[in-house]
Amino acid sequence: EPEVTQTPSHQVTQMGQEVILRCVPISNHLYFYWYRQILGQKVEFLVSFYNNEISEKSEIFDDQFSVERPDGSNFTLKIRSTKLEDSAMYFCASTETVTPLGYTFGSGTRLTVV
Amino acid sequence: QQPVQSPQAVILREGEDAVINCSSSKALYSVHWYRQKHGEAPVFLMILLKGGEQKGHDKISASFNEKKQQSSLYLTASQLSYSGTYFCGTENTGNQFYFGTGTSLTVIP
Repeated sequence: EPEVTQTPSHQVTQMGQEVILRCVPISNHLYFYWYRQILGQKVEFLVSFYNNEISEKSEIFDDQFSVERPDGSNFTLKIRSTKLEDSAMYFCASTETVTPLGYTFGSGTRLTVV
Repeated sequence: QQPVQSPQAVILREGEDAVINCSSSKALYSVHWYRQKHGEAPVFLMILLKGGEQKGHDKISASFNEKKQQSSLYLTASQLSYSGTYFCGTENTGNQFYFGTGTSLTVIP
């Protein structure tokens, strides 16, 4: 079964450092998403991406965040200057259609900012 | 905009039934249901697209009341493997998707 792959599975970084989280969406999917989940809390939408541009973003997705699809397969989330409160599980997801019939999530990257 | 789920947590004995509710303050286009095991990604269970639609597989089913902007997930004859956090996700007519507040379900022997 096709899956969304995320790397690394766990990243520890010092406050103020830049991190890049990587995702390989399912190959025939066109819409890509990043979600965040602070430990024990709800899953929060960050950003959606289609046709090489951001289609929607939440209030969380401020100037410290950026997304990119540098080649035909990878989809990355960059946090420019990490803060302690950025510590969370970050999930990438992809869908075939703009009106998703269900999101396929990657296994997540646990980001710990110290 | 975030749908509210109830209850927040429930503990069941194996074989018991449970209902998890999801309510939105906005008109809904669709409702998704996901289950998340601890430390893992949410896994898609089902989507309901039409008001009044009911779906299910195995002993897990769901309904969608479009008028009330609500959905319910029904788990019957629960098994240990049902334990996890259940999230609804709602899409409104503006193509905005939000996950619910989550319901922690624990099934004990």
